[in-house]
Amino acid sequence: GAGVSQSPRYKVAKRGQDVALRCDPISGHVSLFWYQQALGQGPEFLTYFQNEAQLDKSGLPSDRFFAERPEGSVSTLKIQRTQQEDSAVYLCASSLGRVANTEAFFGQGTRLTVV
Amino acid sequence: AQKITQTQPGMFVQEKEAVTLDCTYDTSDPSYGLFWYKQPSSGEMIFLIYQGSYDQQNATEGRYSLNFQKARKSANLVISASQLGDSAMYFCAMPPPRDSSYKLIFGSGTRLLVRP
Repeated sequence: GAGVSQSPRYKVAKRGQDVALRCDPISGHVSLFWYQQALGQGPEFLTYFQNEAQLDKSGLPSDRFFAERPEGSVSTLKIQRTQQEDSAVYLCASSLGRVANTEAFFGQGTRLTVV
Repeated sequence: AQKITQTQPGMFVQEKEAVTLDCTYDTSDPSYGLFWYKQPSSGEMIFLIYQGSYDQQNATEGRYSLNFQKARKSANLVISASQLGDSAMYFCAMPPPRDSSYKLIFGSGTRLLVRP
């Protein structure tokens, strides 16, 4: 497809389980972002990649969160030892350039529920 | 610190009427941009409109326009001729101060429901 694709759309994890969330950005997009959106809130920035380089990971809430984009295209957000407070929608976005969020295209998100 | 405030958790509007969604902000940057996004129930964030702080005119994109009042630090979104498909969450956002515009700080959003 032409848009940003995220999988799975829904994930239920038992507390303590590790999860991996995948993002397929639009082909050729240099920039890739991850955001976390808690229920009833706006998205909050997690991390930013320019090609394969992770230039900003200041929003990752703990060292249990890890993101990678090894070949500058597909990205994976991994959460180790999930906790209930990790329950949220995780949104991925990509853009052609480095700047200009006007060009950022978002995926539909992965809804993570930790039980 | 950057702050975006959306004071309306929910709004109703009759189909074909206009509606204004409020957004106020606080920033120390002399130059900044403001964004509005729509989030339908399917989940993706859809870019609607952008306003630069030094733009001379209020931004417009089709049925969307910004009522930008710099002195009051407000950037309200106006949707004209509401349609049923406009029912969604709406978020105002801006980049952090003295930072690259690759990331955004979002408000808490307003849920708009368009009545037939």
